[in-house]
Amino acid sequence: KAGVTQTPRYLIKTRGQQVTLSCSPISGHRSVSWYQQTPGQGLQFLFEYFSETQRNKGNFPGRFSGRQFSNSRSEMNVSTLELGDSALYLCASSFRQQGGGEKLFFGSGTQLSVL
Amino acid sequence: GIQVEQSPPDLILQEGANSTLRCNFSDSVNNLQWFHQNPWGQLINLFYIPSGTKQNGRLSATTVATERYSLLYISSSQTTDSGVYFCAVGVLAGGFKTIFGAGTRLFVKA
Repeated sequence: KAGVTQTPRYLIKTRGQQVTLSCSPISGHRSVSWYQQTPGQGLQFLFEYFSETQRNKGNFPGRFSGRQFSNSRSEMNVSTLELGDSALYLCASSFRQQGGGEKLFFGSGTQLSVL
Repeated sequence: GIQVEQSPPDLILQEGANSTLRCNFSDSVNNLQWFHQNPWGQLINLFYIPSGTKQNGRLSATTVATERYSLLYISSSQTTDSGVYFCAVGVLAGGFKTIFGAGTRLFVKA
C-alpha cells in the first residue's frame, strides 16, 4: 500500500500571500488530520476531517482552513501568510482501532518558508 | 487542556546501551502512540498502545493508563535510533484530537 503523500515537499512564499498544501491518505483511510511543527511550539494539532466533515479543530486563527474531498484527499490553506507560519506541516491519515482510537500514519510533510 | 510531558528532553547514548523514555499525561486519554522522527523529518509510528505492553524487535512499550504514564524501552541502541521520540495521546472531543509531547531527542554515538 502506498503511504501518505504530501505535496509539495518545499514551498517558499512571501508575507501576505496564500498557500495550499495537499495530502493524499493511505487507501481506505477516511480520516485525515493536519499538524504544524515548529522548533518553538513543537507539534500542534490543526484540524481533523472524516468523510468530508471537519470533526475537530485546534487553536489556530481563521487564516488556517482545510477541506476533504470525497476520495478522502485533503487540502489545507493558509491565507495572508505571516513570518510565524514558517513551519513543517504534517498530514496524517488514520483508521479506527478496536476501542475507538485512531492510529496515525504521517506523510513526509511540507516545509513552508515565509519570507 | 491535557498536558503531555516527556523525559528526558535529551539523551546521549553509546551504541549498544539501553534506555527508557517516559511520557506522563495529565488526564484520561483514549489512546497513546509513540513516534520516531528521523533527521529528515519523517514521523514513524512505533506503537499504538492505549494500555498494556507491546514489543517490536529491540523496542518495547508499556502504558499504565490508570497511572497516566507510558514508557518506551530501547535496547542495544544503534546509531539509526537517533532522532526525536514523541509520545502522543488521543482524546475524544467531537472527533479525535491528538496532542503531542515535546519529545525526547536521542543521539546514539558509534
